[in-house]
Amino acid sequence: GQNIDQPTEMTATEGAIVQINCTYQTSGFNGLFWYQQHAGEAPTFLSYNVLDGLEEKGRFSSFLSRSKGYSYLLLKELQMKDSASYLCAGMDSNYQLIWGAGTKLIIKP
Amino acid sequence: IAGITQAPTSQILAAGRRMTLRCTQDMRHNAMYWYRQDLGLGLRLIHYSNTAGTTGKGEVPDGYSVSRANTDDFPLTLASAVPSQTSVYFCASTPGTGGIDEQFFGPGTRLTVL
Repeated sequence: GQNIDQPTEMTATEGAIVQINCTYQTSGFNGLFWYQQHAGEAPTFLSYNVLDGLEEKGRFSSFLSRSKGYSYLLLKELQMKDSASYLCAGMDSNYQLIWGAGTKLIIKP
Repeated sequence: IAGITQAPTSQILAAGRRMTLRCTQDMRHNAMYWYRQDLGLGLRLIHYSNTAGTTGKGEVPDGYSVSRANTDDFPLTLASAVPSQTSVYFCASTPGTGGIDEQFFGPGTRLTVL
């Protein structure tokens, strides 16, 4: 079956670094997406990885290991506005996204 | 408008009633999607349309129908609502025809079926 696993909730301190992990199992693989979703709002795109390695985009970076079925999202210099849920989604061979339940990130001052 | 709009924002519906959730985009995107989001679960795909005039079933299509008469509109209809259809519904679109693309989401419709 297809499955995406990520932690339910994480807590971090303003200014610190946090890593949100995601393991995936999809029928075929066409890449791994990360989205951010603030409470009561729509998801918005953060990153896409299809090759192994780290993709850096400002304070946010995303890593992929295809052999391990593993990805992580790294957030640096945390700000209060980063409090949100982070959704991991794998794209299967039919180009459909399989979504994780999301990781709620709580930032404390 | 710019982007995707959904209507209504929220709705309380009696079980057994028919309901259509509206979704309109002005980005001339080819593919459109309907998801439901429930607490503790990931987004689940209900139906999708890769181009105007075509539709397909997603992971959880039962009890829902869609149509795609033109590029901009992708309504989702619940023929006879049941309490298990209580959820937040998101419409999304992508520029391409269903390949590897960033998805753009509407603001969502919160539906409660009593």
